[in-house]
Amino acid sequence: QKEVEQNSGPLSVPEGAIASLNCTYSDRGSQSFFWYRQYSGKSPELIMSIYSNGDKEDGRFTAQLNKASQYVSLLIRDSQPSDSATYLCALDSGGGADGLTFGKGTHLIIQP
Amino acid sequence: NAGVMQNPRHLVRRRGQEARLRCSPMKGHSHVYWYRQLPEEGLKFMVYLQKENIIDESGMPKERFSAEFPKEGPSILRIQQVVRGDSAAYFCASSPRVGGTQETQYFGPGTRLLVL
Repeated sequence: QKEVEQNSGPLSVPEGAIASLNCTYSDRGSQSFFWYRQYSGKSPELIMSIYSNGDKEDGRFTAQLNKASQYVSLLIRDSQPSDSATYLCALDSGGGADGLTFGKGTHLIIQP
Repeated sequence: NAGVMQNPRHLVRRRGQEARLRCSPMKGHSHVYWYRQLPEEGLKFMVYLQKENIIDESGMPKERFSAEFPKEGPSILRIQQVVRGDSAAYFCASSPRVGGTQETQYFGPGTRLLVL
């Protein structure tokens, strides 16, 4: 059974600092990894996707993937109060079942 | 380019009634996924459909739940004889699904189902 583990938080970070969100997974066959942001009462919004080991940067966001250690992380630089949300880690194994497997999410709070 | 559309946004049903949730994928997307999010729980995959085909329904409860994606019109998630435990947010996502790798799924606004 595929599992995705995230610290539920809340993770409190001062405005302007770097927020670091981590995710571990159990299925070594996972090929695609995603970070979604979800504001309370809203739908998930894609932040980043990553498929290869290493770092991928997009603006203030950097996703990091280490398949050998089975973890994926998201760094948010220059954190803003508007970044306060729940961040969902999701993965896809790529074969057979085609739905994404989600973690329960990390609740991030950016303190002004 | 309109995003994924879902309706209704909120749905109230009494126990034993039927609930019908609709999803129109993004233009150019032919793959639809349904997820359920229970209070304080993560998103759980329910079913994956293409036009006129159910590809994977491994996450669907065995009874009372069904899904379709007809040749014309939106995808429909149908819940018969609803119970209070069905109260949740139901999200639809779509992807273009070109190529061999997983394509990004874009989510609709969701339908919040409340069973009284």
